[in-house]
This record gives sequence, structure tokens and C-alpha cells, in this order.
Amino acid sequence: DVKVTQSSRYLVKRTGEKVFLECVQDMDHENMFWYRQDPGLGLRLIYFSYDVKMKEKGDIPEGYSVSREKKERFSLILESASTNQTSMYLCASSLSFQGGNQPQHFGDGTRLSIL
Amino acid sequence: AQSVTQPDIHITVSEGASLELRCNYSYGATPYLFWYVQSPGQGLQLLLKYFSGDTLVQGIKGFEAEFKRSQSSFNLRKPSVHWSDAAEYFCAVGDPNFGNEKLTFGTGTRLTIIP
Repeated sequence: DVKVTQSSRYLVKRTGEKVFLECVQDMDHENMFWYRQDPGLGLRLIYFSYDVKMKEKGDIPEGYSVSREKKERFSLILESASTNQTSMYLCASSLSFQGGNQPQHFGDGTRLSIL
Repeated sequence: AQSVTQPDIHITVSEGASLELRCNYSYGATPYLFWYVQSPGQGLQLLLKYFSGDTLVQGIKGFEAEFKRSQSSFNLRKPSVHWSDAAEYFCAVGDPNFGNEKLTFGTGTRLTIIP
């Protein structure tokens, strides 16, 4: 089975801090994704990556950056955390395949609180 | 841009009753469609997917979904729900601009099961 591991289940940080959320997958997937999940808004894509050192902006990239130095690891960075970034963050990965019929596999999420 | 609408925010059904969760999409060609389930405190798990062929798709846990192009719908059904089906359900559509590997999610439907 595919395993997507997010480094923390719960995280509390202060306004203005630089925050790192880590995600590791063990199935050699090319694609990796970061979402945030808020009540009533569903999942919104922040960034995704289709290869090492490659990244694409999603729907809400403002205030975030990402890093993918190794294929299995995709990091989400909050450059200067703000209270409106308090949310559940979900990482996902998928196998790249022409036609796009590969599902995304999700981690259990990191619930981040910014005080 | 493609979009997904889940018109029901919250549904309550009795254990053993049938279930239908609605999903409407906005996309010109044949979409790549997915249903995911999220149990409390966990990430998302794929229930089923549709790309082409038979419009009635079988998934895990006894779920099925029917693609209806004329109604732009991909409703999820289960003939008899179990208490363990209580969760949040998300419909998603692939983005053809990214080979359908990037997904747009609906806002979710929360399912409550009463004894």
C-alpha cells in the first residue's frame, strides 16, 4: 500500500514564525500535492510538483512556498505565519501516467494553529 | 475552468437506509471524476473513479456511482448504509490542462448515520 506520511498531526506556531510542514511518500510517485482544508470550502490546492525541483502554483499559493529536493519529500513552507493560515493541511501523491487516471493518495493531515 | 458542486452540505440517514450523494460538474468534454471519503481525523481515501466506458462504476465499501452526461452529474449511491459510513465525502474532477493529474474538489457532504 502507498504510504504518505506527514511529519506532524498537530502543530502550534506563533504569528510571524517560519513554519515547515513535511511530507514523505514511499511509492516513488512523481506527483505530490499540498492542500488546505477548511470547513465549508473543501480542499483547495496550494502547490503541486510533478518532478524533483519542479513546482506549480495551485489555486491559493499566496503566503506559501514549497521545496522538492528529493522525489519522495515535498515540503510546504509558511514564510511568515499568519492567523488566517490556521487550517488542516493535507499532502497527497500520485503516479504520473499519460491520461491522468491515477488516483491521489493522501496523508492523515497536519492540523496547524497559528496564535 | 472546471468546477464541482456538491449541493448538500450535510445529510442524515438511518442505518440500513439507502443513500445518494449528489455531485455536479462543469466541464465540456468527458471528465475524469472521483469520489473520496474522509473519516474523522484522517486523510482522504479513494472510493471510486470514472474515466470512460460503463457509466455505472463500482467502488470499495459497497459504493457505486453513475455518470450522467446529460445531467452533468456523478452521484454516489449505496443501497444500505452502515454506521461506519459516517464521514465526509468529496467529489473531484481532473483538470485537463494538467493531464487530469490535478484535481478540483467539491466542498464536501458530511454524512451522519442514526441508529
